[in-house]
Amino acid sequence: GAVVSQHPSRVICKSGTSVKIECRSLDFQATTMFWYRQFPKQSLMLMATSNEGSKATYEQGVEKDKFLINHASLTLSTLTVTSAHPEDSSFYICSARLAGGARPYEQYFGPGTRLTVT
Amino acid sequence: GIQVEQSPPDLILQEGANSTLRCNFSDSVNNLQWFHQNPWGQLINLFYIPSGTKQNGRLSATTVATERYSLLYISSSQTTDSGVYFCAVILTGGGNKLTFGTGTQLKVEL
Repeated sequence: GAVVSQHPSRVICKSGTSVKIECRSLDFQATTMFWYRQFPKQSLMLMATSNEGSKATYEQGVEKDKFLINHASLTLSTLTVTSAHPEDSSFYICSARLAGGARPYEQYFGPGTRLTVT
Repeated sequence: GIQVEQSPPDLILQEGANSTLRCNFSDSVNNLQWFHQNPWGQLINLFYIPSGTKQNGRLSATTVATERYSLLYISSSQTTDSGVYFCAVILTGGGNKLTFGTGTQLKVEL
């Protein structure tokens, strides 16, 4: 149980284009999903917290107009990187928190999306 | 903000060896999780352990919340244990936000 999927797993796009990444909780409902970014040889950094039916909360230094987050249902959150540039190239990982679980703070992670902007 | 430091940063083991990974955190926490990030980037939940001791096969973990550290023990290591091990914490009063540690890169050799 507690499986999270991401799509696509890998994407290459040209500078200036937009890319959408989907995060789905497959076998549970997630009131809260999270988006992280990981650069090579570094730890994960939280970008934003996504709550179903409300606006996302962004971490300091993350541009909300560049990284658009939508959490339209209890099983789906999307991250859109708008007008992507080479410096946005990174590994993007989502996670989901099980709603009403016995472990209220536990998060389950998707397999990640590797974005390369040329 | 909260600091989460892991040691050692890098570790090379011969298959069959045992190891202990450490996670120190600078403030009181509600949650602590250990993850294994495999070479393809997938984070695998190992333990949800805000306090106490748990065991799962060759792995075990202990968190001493009052002293602000957690330990992950790997026994009889295998090549498939290679990857990066992260601890991550949620600060008490910090909502849902996980703060990740600096990671330990483990390589298990034949």
